[in-house]
Amino acid sequence: GENVGLHLPTLSVQEGDNSIINCAYSNSASDYFIWYKQESGKGPQFIIDIRSNMDKRQGQRVTVLLNKTVKHLSLQIAATQPGDSAVYFCAETSGGKLIFGQGTELSVKP
Amino acid sequence: DGGITQSPKYLFRKEGQNVTLSCEQNLNHDAMYWYRQDPGQGLRLIYYSQIVNDFQKGDIAEGYSVSREKKESFPLTVTSAQKNPTAFYLCASTPNRDRDGYTFGSGTRLTVV
Repeated sequence: GENVGLHLPTLSVQEGDNSIINCAYSNSASDYFIWYKQESGKGPQFIIDIRSNMDKRQGQRVTVLLNKTVKHLSLQIAATQPGDSAVYFCAETSGGKLIFGQGTELSVKP
Repeated sequence: DGGITQSPKYLFRKEGQNVTLSCEQNLNHDAMYWYRQDPGQGLRLIYYSQIVNDFQKGDIAEGYSVSREKKESFPLTVTSAQKNPTAFYLCASTPNRDRDGYTFGSGTRLTVV
């Protein structure tokens, strides 16, 4: 499934499918972006980051895409697993601060 | 292992009381941050400190105070002036002013009773 809405708070996918979580960031001067995963009652966990001089970066089962023209960031999770169920936040650095987006809740159906 | 320790995990406060949340890191990070998270929402920056004995207000600093007397410690006080303090509070740190490598603590859940 694909989240195409700027403020869609939830995404439900079938186990084994690929997930795409989208994020619109606010500051065109931001030069560093991070995706975090947050499970209930816990602190955010780093997933992957990307600098503004790149448009794609891959990790283990995850890929981040950056489109600076439209200030858009996406996180792709391959072969989504039940353990991927969590809230995912994008964050941008601006003026020495880390600014978080609203977040998207990913629910994986077995 | 190095990391950030927040305490307590759960905290209950009576209306009108000040409470202090602890954040300690042994990562030798220069910068430390406090965020507030409300249910179903993202993290909002309360205060941050990029060097010892210096700190700046974030987006929602009203009703909060901090100190940074030691590099390892960045306590947050929730004062009685904060009218809606019930939330999940997260502390984070980074090794330098370039903001790389944010590490988060496990959070403190504050409830007003």
